[in-house]
Amino acid sequence: SAVISQKPSRDICQRGTSLTIQCQVDSQVTMMFWYRQQPGQSLTLIATANQGSEATYESGFVIDKFPISRPNLTFSTLTVSNMSPEDSSIYLCSVVRESSYNEQFFGPGTRLTVL
Amino acid sequence: GDSVTQMEGPVTLSEEAFLTINCTYTATGYPSLFWYVQYPGEGLQLLLKATKADDKGSNKGFEATYRKETTSFHLEKGSVQVSDSAVYFCALTYNTNAGKSTFGDGTTLTVKP
Repeated sequence: SAVISQKPSRDICQRGTSLTIQCQVDSQVTMMFWYRQQPGQSLTLIATANQGSEATYESGFVIDKFPISRPNLTFSTLTVSNMSPEDSSIYLCSVVRESSYNEQFFGPGTRLTVL
Repeated sequence: GDSVTQMEGPVTLSEEAFLTINCTYTATGYPSLFWYVQYPGEGLQLLLKATKADDKGSNKGFEATYRKETTSFHLEKGSVQVSDSAVYFCALTYNTNAGKSTFGDGTTLTVKP
């Protein structure tokens, strides 16, 4: 398995501000993924964080709104910029271990509330 | 595109009752199928998986069979416990895009003593 930690675990933010979420993995992984889970809804992939190159964003998500960093093989950050109440969600980091045949491991999530 | 549809919840059962959570999918290729569980206040954990048609995944008394003919992957357990109370997500992914999963909306299960 993989041990994934996220910081902060939760936050309450004001409209128009930005929040950076950190994801730390206990071992090196090639790809890290950021998901959003809106209240009462399913998980939606935001982007794939690639080490050494720009993140790959899914349809409907843009770098200006969700800038991502991936400075090394165990760490990534997701920033939620210029927040609005619609950004209130749980943000989850996940990784795939090459040896685990597509098994995804998820972090505990960051619960964000925007007022 | 691909999609996953789960039965709507919430589902409330008494302890030792039989559980079925339906999951159907539409896919353009031949994905692997997964069930994840999210306990209160925690992240998602893999419950079981099946990588090809007719495979049966099982774990902790839960089972699901990959049915290509009905495009289904229903989750079952013969006797639920209070500790099984959680949100259950059905998901699919392709080997070539590991990590880019398509999830169902989740089904909340509450088991009462």
